[in-house]
Amino acid sequence: SQKIEQNSEALNIQEGKTATLTCNYTNYSPAYLQWYRQDPGRGPVFLLLIRENEKEKRKERLKVTFDTTLKQSLFHITASQPADSATYLCALPFSGGYNKLIFGAGTRLAVHP
Amino acid sequence: GAVVSQHPSRVICKSGTSVKIECRSLDFQATTMFWYRQFPKKSLMLMATSNEGSKATYEQGVEKDKFLINHASLTLSTLTVTSAHPEDSSFYICSASRGHANTEAFFGQGTRLTVV
Repeated sequence: SQKIEQNSEALNIQEGKTATLTCNYTNYSPAYLQWYRQDPGRGPVFLLLIRENEKEKRKERLKVTFDTTLKQSLFHITASQPADSATYLCALPFSGGYNKLIFGAGTRLAVHP
Repeated sequence: GAVVSQHPSRVICKSGTSVKIECRSLDFQATTMFWYRQFPKKSLMLMATSNEGSKATYEQGVEKDKFLINHASLTLSTLTVTSAHPEDSSFYICSASRGHANTEAFFGQGTRLTVV
């Protein structure tokens, strides 16, 4: 079955540094991959989508890479700020499922001043 | 961006009662919406796909008689937790997309259900 793995341990970094989060998946060849941000007690908010034929995508301080050979995506936040502290979720579409998403457990990021 | 509104944000109910949660797409029509459940520090688990004008499609292990889904219009899906028990206490979240493949999902604010 499809499986997504994110580092379940919290990531603590200093303000201004680059945060790098990892998403690995198995038994699957998704057409695209998405990253979401979730704050406590709130629904996820879409950040970036990267397609299988794209190696890298950027949006302001965010960068996502997608390595279909390694079956891995990396999510980077440069010049991190305390306001970036949240849980970041990796999501893949169910195979054959129209916009149905399977989510990783998420990685909690804490940016310290 | 598109807005999906979920109501209520919090609800406390007694065991044995039913609770209805509404999910509305405010500025677009959604033929399909999705309902997720999330336990503390856990991933979102897809419960069912809500289809406008037809029956919902439930994921394996989700009791359709327990979690009733109605998608009566292109902007509203409801999830009713029937005969709620304490183990149904959880964070329920809905999502919708504009209707094109490979696009972002817009999520509601979530509903914290506590069954006492």
